[in-house]
Amino acid sequence: EAQVTQNPRYLITVTGKKLTVTCSQNMNHEYMSWYRQDPGLGLRQIYYSMNVEVTDKGDVPEGYKVSRKEKRNFPLILESPSPNQTSLYFCASSFGAPSSNSPLHFGNGTRLTVT
Amino acid sequence: SQKIEQNSEALNIQEGKTATLTCNYTNYSPAYLQWYRQDPGRGPVFLLLIRENEKEKRKERLKVTFDTTLKQSLFHITASQPADSATYLCALNFGGYQKVTFGIGTKLQVIP
Repeated sequence: EAQVTQNPRYLITVTGKKLTVTCSQNMNHEYMSWYRQDPGLGLRQIYYSMNVEVTDKGDVPEGYKVSRKEKRNFPLILESPSPNQTSLYFCASSFGAPSSNSPLHFGNGTRLTVT
Repeated sequence: SQKIEQNSEALNIQEGKTATLTCNYTNYSPAYLQWYRQDPGRGPVFLLLIRENEKEKRKERLKVTFDTTLKQSLFHITASQPADSATYLCALNFGGYQKVTFGIGTKLQVIP
């Protein structure tokens, strides 16, 4: 089944403790992206990747890191999480870049709470 | 900067009626516009895409219109069913930029 898989689904952590949220897609998609979703603010893009070893900042990259060493994986890293990073996170992928009209396929989200 | 406006208030309609959701944007016209459905606790799911040179697109009970003069897209669900209850997100791409920008969504409740 074609899908985007995020892990974990739920995560509670403390301020400053490094964490990684994994994202994997099995559709051989070139484009991958991370979003956070907050009430009243909607989905905001954190980072995106056009292909292996090619990443770029989205609208809210501060406090986050990503890597794209393999085509299928795009982990989101929080080196020193803070409470304002408490949010619902989504990974998404598409066959081509957004400029090619490709629709996004989303994972089921990771709900992160930082205390 | 670009703004995307969706009615943040919930829309309640009776089963069988047509639901109409609005997406307005400011400034530049997007290269295309997409509509997604999101259920609670789940990721958005792609429904329809309409390009800047298209006026209307249909898929089963769904219809999307795109008016670049009004800077508006309308999303219609005909013969609505309780299973259509969800939040619907509008998303835009502005040509040449490798990102998709989302509105905050409109929550639709179809009452049996």
